[in-house]
Amino acid sequence: AQSVTQLDSQVPVFEEAPVELRCNYSSSVSVYLFWYVQYPNQGLQLLLKYLSGSTLVKGINGFEAEFNKSQTSFHLRKPSVHISDTAEYFCAVSDYGDSRLTFGEGTQLTVNP
Amino acid sequence: GAVVSQHPSWVICKSGTSVKIECRSLDFQATTMFWYRQFPKQSLMLMATSNEGSKATYEQGVEKDKFLINHASLTLSTLTVTSAHPEDSSFYICSARAAGTPYEQYFGPGTRLTVT
Repeated sequence: AQSVTQLDSQVPVFEEAPVELRCNYSSSVSVYLFWYVQYPNQGLQLLLKYLSGSTLVKGINGFEAEFNKSQTSFHLRKPSVHISDTAEYFCAVSDYGDSRLTFGEGTQLTVNP
Repeated sequence: GAVVSQHPSWVICKSGTSVKIECRSLDFQATTMFWYRQFPKQSLMLMATSNEGSKATYEQGVEKDKFLINHASLTLSTLTVTSAHPEDSSFYICSARAAGTPYEQYFGPGTRLTVT
């Protein structure tokens, strides 16, 4: 069975500051990794995904994430955040060969002026 | 591209009644659809996976007789909450997977269900 742990439930930052949202996973098989963003009362939007290849993945809105297999981590980063980045961020994992997703508990990113 | 819609976006129903939620893929054929529920300030929990033309596969702990899922076509799946009770109040989100993109799910905007 797989699990996803998002280490911070809430991350407050000031506008234009860098941010890192942490995600660790556990699985006995190879995995695919995803980061989604959810704005209030809306569905999820894919930020980026790691399927294979380069461990540094770039996504939309200036976000990037790095897959670290030895540390079983997939942390999300942005060098300079905007007020509009305020949202809930979910890390998710699926086992190789299984299209189902397991989500972490989410991290509320709040960007303050 | 890859747009998924849900209808209704919110619904209020009385305890004991049933309510149907529709999930449509608007510009692609969805070979697989997923249904999630999300409680306030919590994560998404997968309820079931449905493949077009076959019975849904429910996750452990999800009552299949209470949450009826039908995936009758490649663009439509429905979730019917039967004999709803206040504890069924939640945010229900569907997602769809297209043929050829096995590891990417496109999410609908969600349906807020309130049972009074």
